[in-house]
Order: sequence, then structure tokens, then C-alpha cells
Amino acid sequence: DAGVIQSPRHEVTEMGQEVTLRCKPISGHNSLFWYRQTMMRGLELLIYFNNNVPIDDSGMPEDRFSAKMPNASFSTLKIQPSEPRDSAVYFCASTLGVQGAGIRTQYFGPGTRLLVL
Amino acid sequence: AQKITQTQPGMFVQEKEAVTLDCTYDTSDPSYGLFWYKQPSSGEMIFLIYQGSYDQQNATEGRYSLNFQKARKSANLVISASQLGDSAMYFCAMREQGGGADGLTFGKGTHLIIQP
Repeated sequence: DAGVIQSPRHEVTEMGQEVTLRCKPISGHNSLFWYRQTMMRGLELLIYFNNNVPIDDSGMPEDRFSAKMPNASFSTLKIQPSEPRDSAVYFCASTLGVQGAGIRTQYFGPGTRLLVL
Repeated sequence: AQKITQTQPGMFVQEKEAVTLDCTYDTSDPSYGLFWYKQPSSGEMIFLIYQGSYDQQNATEGRYSLNFQKARKSANLVISASQLGDSAMYFCAMREQGGGADGLTFGKGTHLIIQP
């Protein structure tokens, strides 16, 4: 079974450029999460979607960050313009969230390692 | 206040010994879940084990078990018969069901090194 797929795996860009990270969740999963991992702040939730609808974007650091989920099998996280402090590993995770069914495990993609010069 | 506390930044353990990685959590939500993930040097996040707050028994998955002490708000990961491939970062995480936020809150992790 295919897990969560992320692309690109590595991205090096210059400050001010637009960066787009992509995620394909596990087929059948209806909840998708974007996390960021840095040495200083650890792993932190940026935004999550349920049934393609953004539910909580309180973790998005600033307006330069935006995320979309146009359909159940695809999501993007965009940074425009990028800054050196955005350098981090960005993870996408998915799960099957069913009302009243309890807490489900989130499965992570391999991550995108972003370096902004 | 930190919701997930992992007090061991790093640990060195001899191969074949058992390992206990500490995790304490803070929540007022009666319904929550606790997770452990492994992150090897290659960077991926690998799900290991899950414990629900209402589960009567401690979770087990192969060599992994979770020592869940609800009153102490403790969810330590136990790895039996450690192997060299267990060397990695280990993260404890929590999901509170009633908080309205479905994301996981992570601890800062423990870097485990298994020595031959």
C-alpha cells in the first residue's frame, strides 16, 4: 500500500522565491495535516484539513504561508515569498477521521527538506 | 506549559538491553491518545505504538510496549532487546479529542543510540 507521498523531497531556493510543497495522502484518508520540524521549535502543526476543508490554520506562521486541498488526494503548502527562517523539514500526515470513532493514528510522509538561502 | 515532556535528550544503551524512554503529558481532557514515533537519521516519521486514555491494558506492538500510568500522566515507551537499528530520535505525542484541534502535540524527543 502506498503511504503518504510528498514532493519534492529536497528543495533549495533563494530568499524571496515562491516555494510549493505537495502532498498526496493515503487513499481513503479524509484528514490531512501539515507539520514543520526545526531544531529550535521541534515538530509543530501548521494546518489541518478535514474532508478537504481547512479546520485549523492557527499554526500557520504568517500570511506568507498558504495551504490548499482542492480534492481528497492532493494538498499544497505554499510559501511566498520565502525567507531563510522558513528552512525546515515539512511533513504531511493523513488519517481517517470518523466522528465518534475515537482517535486515529496519523501516518507521515517522508517530508520535504527545505533550505532557503 | 509544555503538554508533552521528554526529559531525556539523549540515551546510550548497550545492544540487547531493554530501554525505557520517558514521556509525561499534561491535559485536562478525559479523552486523549498518546503516540510514539521513531525518526531515524533518514528523517521519516515512523508510527510505533498508540495508547488511548480509556484503554484498560498497556499497548504492545512487537518489541515495543507502552507503560501507561494514567494517574501520573506518564506514557513511557519500553523497547525490549534493543537492536542497532533502534538508534533514532523518538517522539512522544498527544492528541486531545475534546480540544477541537485534531493535530498532534509533540515532545522534544529523545535521541537513542544503541551501542554494540
